This record gives sequence, structure tokens and C-alpha cells, in this order.
Amino acid sequence: DAGVTQSPTHLIKTRGQQVTLRCSPKSGHDTVSWYQQALGQGPQFIFQYYEEEERQRGNFPDRFSGHQFPNYSSELNVNALLLGDSALYLCASSDPGFHEQYFGPGTRLTVT
Amino acid sequence: SQQGEEDPQALSIQEGENATMNCSYKTSINNLQWYRQNSGRGLVHLILIRSNEREKHSGRLRVTLDTSKKSSSLLITASRAADTASYFCATDSLGGFQKLVFGTGTRLLVSP
Repeated sequence: DAGVTQSPTHLIKTRGQQVTLRCSPKSGHDTVSWYQQALGQGPQFIFQYYEEEERQRGNFPDRFSGHQFPNYSSELNVNALLLGDSALYLCASSDPGFHEQYFGPGTRLTVT
Repeated sequence: SQQGEEDPQALSIQEGENATMNCSYKTSINNLQWYRQNSGRGLVHLILIRSNEREKHSGRLRVTLDTSKKSSSLLITASRAADTASYFCATDSLGGFQKLVFGTGTRLLVSP
């Protein structure tokens, strides 16, 4: 049983560009959450998707948007990239019982 | 913003010794989860303790929860070099729908 998978592993973008990150949840999980982790910090909640809708959102600007597909996979889009968006982006999935969240390996985004 | 803080920020011990790290948080919670992270990679779920539980064990891990003090501790017994990692606590607040709020992490170094 594959766990949470994310792609790509690493990404380098230029300031002002747009980026799309992808996540496939663990089998049987229907809820996907995205987190941003800056170097030396704990992860910060970006938003959560359930039943293809954004259910809740953290304190992130509208440049951060997402989508969930019928197969529960999800995308995170960031527009107008800033240098401060450089971070590890983590995707987590959880089951319908809302118990443990399982994280993927992350996508390391570098904005130059 | 971070929910709480782990203490200590860094811990250095020898193999075979026990490691204890503490976590404090601010709001009422559904549960508290502990995660391990190696070298800025994905988070590995270690253990979940619910708000009505006081202690939980998993292998060499022992977690306690004191909701009156809004604090938790993680004990790793008989540590190994492979336990070297950063450890984070994450709280799922009441009504939070699994919006995990992470602490700042404890960096554990276990020397052979």
C-alpha cells in the first residue's frame, strides 16, 4: 500500500512565476491538507480539501490556491512567487474517521 | 503562528540513554500527535494521544498528556543513533477539523 506521494521532489522557480505541486493521498484517505515548512520551523497549515472543496484555510494569501480531484488527489498552486515562498511543501492525508494524518516526503521549492 | 513550543530546542545524548522532550500548547484540543522528521524530509507519524487519554505507549515511545497544564511529553527509551531527527508535536484543536498546529520542534542528536 503506497503512502502519500508528492511530485516533484525538488523545484526551482524564478520570482513572479507560478508553480503547481501534486499530491496523491494514502489509499482509503479522502482528506488532503497542505503545509508549508520554512527552514528551521515547524510546518504551517495552508489549507485542507475534503469532497473536492476547500474546507478550511490557514493564514496564507490568495496567491495560494488548490484543487482536489474525484480520486482525492490534490494540487497546490502558487502564483506570483516571492523569495519568501521558498520552503518545503508537505501534503498530508487522513481517513474519514479524522484520525492520524500521514505526510508525504514533501516538495522542496526554491524561488530565485 | 505556532501553537506551542517544544522544549528543549536541542538535545544531545549517547546511545542507550533516554530522551525526553516536552511540548506546550495554548488551546483545548481533540488530540495531540508526535512526528519525527529526518533532515528536512517528510514527517513520520509516531503516536496520537486523545484528549481523554493520559498516557500511551508504542514500542520504545511513551507519550503523556496533561490537559490541565496544556502540555505533553515524549520519552524515547534506549535511544539509538537512528533516532537522530527533529521531533514535532502537533495539536488538533477542538473544532479544528484536523488543522494541525505544530510546535517549533526539538532537534535530537544521538551519538554512538
